[in-house]
Amino acid sequence: DAGVIQSPRHEVTEMGQEVTLRCKPISGHDYLFWYRQTMMRGLELLIYFNNNVPIDDSGMPEDRFSAKMPNASFSTLKIQPSEPRDSAVYFCASSPDGRAGGPKQFFGPGTRLTVL
Amino acid sequence: AQSVAQPEDQVNVAEGNPLTVKCTYSVSGNPYLFWYVQYPNRGLQFLLKYITGDNLVKGSYGFEAEFNKSQTSFHLKKPSALVSDSALYFCAVRDKDQGGKLIFGQGTELSVKP
Repeated sequence: DAGVIQSPRHEVTEMGQEVTLRCKPISGHDYLFWYRQTMMRGLELLIYFNNNVPIDDSGMPEDRFSAKMPNASFSTLKIQPSEPRDSAVYFCASSPDGRAGGPKQFFGPGTRLTVL
Repeated sequence: AQSVAQPEDQVNVAEGNPLTVKCTYSVSGNPYLFWYVQYPNRGLQFLLKYITGDNLVKGSYGFEAEFNKSQTSFHLKKPSALVSDSALYFCAVRDKDQGGKLIFGQGTELSVKP
């Protein structure tokens, strides 16, 4: 398996533009997580899905952020409109089992977003 | 609320010396603890985890971590550091009540000099 795939790897955009980040989880994994990594706040969970259904989106910073998972093999994180403070690395992770103490989460390579 | 803390932003060690990256946790009940490593321009990689059993957990790349319940710590260790160990290290705890999401510490940058 190729692991968790994220695209693009790098994104540079201007303030006010819409940004869409994509993730393909590992086949068979029922859980998908979106994280954001910044120097100031470290790693933060934004939202996670179980069987394509959003379970907890309390980490989503504001209404400009939205995430979808239309099927088991694809998820998007959208920022509209983007702002410079959204600049960060965004990680997608998947896990076959959401039980506490279950298997580890498998992380994608991340998307480095720069909003000018 | 469950949380982890990494008190050191940066750790510097000489190649060949033992290294320790510190992590303390605050959880209700028994913790499920993890260490991840992030190499430059790469995603996060799993190193090891503690669920139950032996307090000394062995992981990838020669790393190990010691679970200490009385001190609520889960420090990452390696007997002999390599220059290639230089990376960002994250301690995490699994939130047992919310789908197993990971709560991360701020990260510690490890620098190993030749």
